[in-house]
Amino acid sequence: GQNIDQPTEMTATEGAIVQINCTYQTSGFNGLFWYQQHAGEAPTFLSYNVLDGLEEKGRFSSFLSRSKGYSYLLLKELQMKDSASYLCAVLDSNYQLIWGAGTKLIIKP
Amino acid sequence: GAVVSQHPSRVICKSGTSVKIECRSLDFQATTMFWYRQFPKKSLMLMATSNEGSKATYEQGVEKDKFLINHASLTLSTLTVTSAHPEDSSFYICSARDLHGADNSPLHFGNGTRLTVT
Repeated sequence: GQNIDQPTEMTATEGAIVQINCTYQTSGFNGLFWYQQHAGEAPTFLSYNVLDGLEEKGRFSSFLSRSKGYSYLLLKELQMKDSASYLCAVLDSNYQLIWGAGTKLIIKP
Repeated sequence: GAVVSQHPSRVICKSGTSVKIECRSLDFQATTMFWYRQFPKKSLMLMATSNEGSKATYEQGVEKDKFLINHASLTLSTLTVTSAHPEDSSFYICSARDLHGADNSPLHFGNGTRLTVT
């Protein structure tokens, strides 16, 4: 079956750096998305990786290794507003999105 | 950027009644919209794929007679929860992909509807 794993919850300190990992096993691969979701709100798009390597976008970076079925989202200079759930989702061979359960990130002052 | 408007944001209804949720793409067209359900601390669960001008495709285990989907135009899809019961209480989210976007372009989400059935 198809499976996406990411940690349930992580805690980090304001101003620090945190890395949220995601491993996947899917039928085919057409890219990996990271979304941010604040409580009670809809997900918002953060990044998309389809080739191996690191994509940097401001304070957020996303890495992909297709051979390892692995991605991470790196958040730098953490701010209190970064407290949210971070969802990893993979586009499978049928272009269907397979979602992870999300990682709840708690930022402490 | 692409905006998806979902309405209502919150609704409380009595058991046995029906509730309609609207999802509109405001500045783009979408032949396909997706309806998700999300339980607390759980992943997004795809309920159905709404196809403009044709029948929706439902995921396994989702009752199509209970969750009626209509996609009458390229900018509007509706989800009607019929004969709602307390176990239907959940967070429902719609999303859409731009008609002119690639298959791997990101989904744009509505703000979700919190349904509470009493």
